[in-house]
Amino acid sequence: GAGVSQTPSNKVTEKGKYVELRCDPISGHTALYWYRQSLGQGPEFLIYFQGTGAADDSGLPNDRFFAVRPEGSVSTLKIQRTERGDSAVYLCASSLSGDTQYFGPGTRLTVL
Amino acid sequence: GESVGLHLPTLSVQEGDNSIINCAYSNSASDYFIWYKQESGKGPQFIIDIRSNMDKRQGQRVTVLLNKTVKHLSLQIAATQPGDSAVYFCAERSADKLIFGTGTRLQVFP
Repeated sequence: GAGVSQTPSNKVTEKGKYVELRCDPISGHTALYWYRQSLGQGPEFLIYFQGTGAADDSGLPNDRFFAVRPEGSVSTLKIQRTERGDSAVYLCASSLSGDTQYFGPGTRLTVL
Repeated sequence: GESVGLHLPTLSVQEGDNSIINCAYSNSASDYFIWYKQESGKGPQFIIDIRSNMDKRQGQRVTVLLNKTVKHLSLQIAATQPGDSAVYFCAERSADKLIFGTGTRLQVFP
């Protein structure tokens, strides 16, 4: 069975540009999470979806960050006007029961 | 891929020995805890979990111990193998999100 997949695996962009990062959760998992991991740190929570709705977006750092999950499966994390400080690995996780979260490989974002 | 944990605490063990990785958590109300293994360039991989109503849980070659009195978790790996080399994170569930600890790099030498 397929695990969580994320595309692209790497994204290099210029300061000020817009980027979209995609997450395909494990089939049937209703809960989906986005985290951000900086070098040498543990993942930090960004946003959590239960079905199509964002149940908790308290981790989004500012209004340049937005995420959607329109059909309750695939999710897209959108970052507007990227800044160099946005450079990190963006991780997606999904869960069936709300307990164990299974992570994807991440998207490494580099903002030049 | 991204290299994880360049400045993390490091535990070096000899192949075949047992490893113990420790973690302190912050929220006494947390009801669920997980250990993850992360290799360079990969996402965190689930190892074992434990609920707050338990003190100990065993898996294959791994054991997690939970001490709620001092808010401490430990991960024990029996007969450590080279493939166990990675960064290990503990995480506590707070509301619906996971809060991760600092991480420990485990190095296994022959």
